Amino acid sequence: GAVVSQHPSRVICKSGTSVKIECRSLDFQATTMFWYRQFPKKSLMLMATSNEGSKATYEQGVEKDKFLINHASLTLSTLTVTSAHPEDSSFYICSARSDRGSIYSNQPQHFGDGTRLSIL
Amino acid sequence: AQTVTQSQPEMSVQEAETVTLSCTYDTSESDYYLFWYKQPPSRQMILVIRQEAYKQQNATENRFSVNFQKAAKSFSLKISDSQLGDAAMYFCAYRYQGAQKLVFGQGTRLTINP
Repeated sequence: GAVVSQHPSRVICKSGTSVKIECRSLDFQATTMFWYRQFPKKSLMLMATSNEGSKATYEQGVEKDKFLINHASLTLSTLTVTSAHPEDSSFYICSARSDRGSIYSNQPQHFGDGTRLSIL
Repeated sequence: AQTVTQSQPEMSVQEAETVTLSCTYDTSESDYYLFWYKQPPSRQMILVIRQEAYKQQNATENRFSVNFQKAAKSFSLKISDSQLGDAAMYFCAYRYQGAQKLVFGQGTRLTINP
């Protein structure tokens, strides 16, 4: 159980292109989803937290207009990198968690497989 | 602010032996959760084990166990009978009760020598 699917796994595109990454919880309702960025041999850097039906909360230093996050349903969140440039090339990972019911208060985050984004 | 520190950037162990990965954290909270995640070369983050701070008993999952020392704010991971498939980056993470986001350590790269 607790499967999170992230798509696509790899994207290569030209500078100036907007890229959309999807994150889906396949077998549970994700009340909260998270988007991370990971540089080579580094830890995960949280970019934003999104709750279903509300605006995402961005971490300090993350450009809201550059990284658009939508969490329209309990099973889907999307990250759109707008007008991507080479410096946006990175590994992006989503995770999902359910806060439904008190028994879920200690539920961990479940991660997708990540998306390798390369901007030429 | 909560912080998580993994002081071992790299560790290596012979196959079938035991290895311990260190993690310390800093928090003023009393109710929180601790996690160890594994990230193999495939890059997917996999939950290895978790510990609730209110539980005194150390969590165990098959070959993986933790040594949770609340007073010392230490949360080490012991891997017994190491296998080649255990080779990965290991991240220690913290979340306090009521919070949504995880705080990750810097990671430890574990190599298993055949």
